[in-house]
Amino acid sequence: ETGVTQSPTHLIKTRGQQVTLRCSSQSGHNTVSWYQQALGQGPQFIFQYYREEENGRGNFPPRFSGLQFPNYSSELNVNALELDDSALYLCASSYGLGPETQYFGPGTRLLVL
Amino acid sequence: AQKITQTQPGMFVQEKEAVTLDCTYDTSDPSYGLFWYKQPSSGEMIFLIYQGSYDQQNATEGRYSLNFQKARKSANLVISASQLGDSAMYFCAMREGRSNFNKFYFGSGTKLNVKP
Repeated sequence: ETGVTQSPTHLIKTRGQQVTLRCSSQSGHNTVSWYQQALGQGPQFIFQYYREEENGRGNFPPRFSGLQFPNYSSELNVNALELDDSALYLCASSYGLGPETQYFGPGTRLLVL
Repeated sequence: AQKITQTQPGMFVQEKEAVTLDCTYDTSDPSYGLFWYKQPSSGEMIFLIYQGSYDQQNATEGRYSLNFQKARKSANLVISASQLGDSAMYFCAMREGRSNFNKFYFGSGTKLNVKP
């Protein structure tokens, strides 16, 4: 069974640029959630994709957007990067929308200069 | 109000001793799930243990157990026989049952240091 994978592992961008982060869900999982974890804090929910549709969103502006593909992999896109977007971005996959455990990937560390 | 509160920013424990990490939660939903994750310095969140709000018994997974006190809205993680590899950040999380999406609320975490 393949776990959740994310790419790239690290990324450096400058303010105003755009970035795309990628996530492959665990085998058999059809739901992907994205979280932002600032230094010294717990993860904050960005949004979730279920069967290729966004079905829930946290308190993040529209410049945070995403996609889910037929194979349930997912992308997180952030436009017009700001310094405060520097964080660890975590992807988590699960099966369905029930209380099942989410399994996390290793994360992408984004630094915005 | 915070959904998940972890009041211990850092904890020290001697190797082979037991340690309790505190977590309190706030919800009016009768159906919810409580989770604990371990985050080493590498960043990956590792699932440890799950407790459902309707579960009658406390969850256990190997050296991890969850001390679930529903009336007090607490879900403390107990690690028995601490090992050096247990040194990491530990996060408590909750999912509310009324939500139709799988949003987890996380606490601010507790950094555990296991001393040899």
